[in-house]
Amino acid sequence: EDKVVQSPLSLVVHEGDTVTLNCSYEVTNFRSLLWYKQEKKAPTFLFMLTSSGIEKKSGRLSSILDKKELFSILNITATQTGDSAVYLCNAGGTSYGKLTFGQGTILTVHP
Amino acid sequence: ETGVTQTPRHLVMGMTNKKSLKCEQHLGHNAMYWYKQSAKKPLELMFVYNFKEQTENNSVPSRFSPECPNSSHLFLHLHTLQPEDSALYLCASSQNSGEQFFGPGTRLTVL
Repeated sequence: EDKVVQSPLSLVVHEGDTVTLNCSYEVTNFRSLLWYKQEKKAPTFLFMLTSSGIEKKSGRLSSILDKKELFSILNITATQTGDSAVYLCNAGGTSYGKLTFGQGTILTVHP
Repeated sequence: ETGVTQTPRHLVMGMTNKKSLKCEQHLGHNAMYWYKQSAKKPLELMFVYNFKEQTENNSVPSRFSPECPNSSHLFLHLHTLQPEDSALYLCASSQNSGEQFFGPGTRLTVL
């Protein structure tokens, strides 16, 4: 059975801190790993990773995939209160629709 | 706005009622998904449709009945639900196995 595990489950930091969120996966015929941010509404897409070692970057957020060790990290530098959200990781294989979400990391950024 | 709409946004129903959730995507995607999100649990994939054909049913109880009349519309018909079915029901769409775009969700309460 496919499995995605995120850590930590929750994290509390202060503005300006840097955080690293982890996502490990065991997925049959792995194809891609995606990161989403969920505030008080539906998840919104952040990154899609398919290749090892290639960093994807968007502003203060970056992510990288390690297909040998089967994990990904999401880094957020210079955190702001607006970064407070649940960060979800989702991994899928080549079989259509086989998508597994992790339990999410609740990030709280205090002023 | 993600291009995926869901109605209603909130629904309260009794255990003997029959209701339907509706999802519509305006993105030209070929795949649509139903997810259930309960408090303190990961997103649970319920159903996947690819070009109107159901490709995934994650052992969902028969009191949930999906319908996909075309690639743009997805319904979830509900009947004789239980209080533990109260949750946020999210619809998403994607082009093939790419990033998913989520609707705002329907907050369902079963009394």
